[in-house]
Amino acid sequence: AQKITQTQPGMFVQEKEAVTLDCTYDTSDPSYGLFWYKQPSSGEMIFLIYQGSYDQQNATEGRYSLNFQKARKSANLVISASQLGDSAMYFCAMNSNFGNEKLTFGTGTRLTIIP
Amino acid sequence: DSGVTQTPKHLITATGQRVTLRCSPRSGDLSVYWYQQSLDQGLQFLIQYYNGEERAKGNILERFSAQQFPDLHSELNLSSLELGDSALYFCASSVAEDSSGANVLTFGAGSRLTVL
Repeated sequence: AQKITQTQPGMFVQEKEAVTLDCTYDTSDPSYGLFWYKQPSSGEMIFLIYQGSYDQQNATEGRYSLNFQKARKSANLVISASQLGDSAMYFCAMNSNFGNEKLTFGTGTRLTIIP
Repeated sequence: DSGVTQTPKHLITATGQRVTLRCSPRSGDLSVYWYQQSLDQGLQFLIQYYNGEERAKGNILERFSAQQFPDLHSELNLSSLELGDSALYFCASSVAEDSSGANVLTFGAGSRLTVL
């Protein structure tokens, strides 16, 4: 079974600062994927970034980067130069690459950007 | 617009009733997933279909059922509704069957069900 743990229920960050959202995971699968999704107050789920378990380099997508530490089973999301529009719920998720494509989600972190 | 279409966006009904939620996946996607998001349970996986066949089942109640049709759209049927079924129901779609790389799920905007 897969498990995602997000220990920060809420975070407040000053605009233009960088922020790190924590995510740890547990799985017995040898190959897996790690994902981050953003859910604004409007409710939709927006895919942000993906990291494969065998990827040597940390994934980056614009202002988003994923700090992947396989030995520690962590996949933290880093948002650089935060903007007011970054205020949202952020979910870490994972799946298996062996015929189990569904995503298992963490409980989320509510990020609030302060002007 | 994610390309995944869910209807209705909002639904208010009474306990004991039955509702059907509809999902059209993104063009080219063969897999459809249903998730339930409630305040106390987070995002819970319900069920997955691939090209018309059930592929994976999560914590889906016996009162709930789903299917995927030949045109790949999917329906989630919720019956004998209870107050606790009030939630945001998401449909998501993806391309891959067996993924060796990223199998990104694209989510619809959700159907918000309120049971009174």
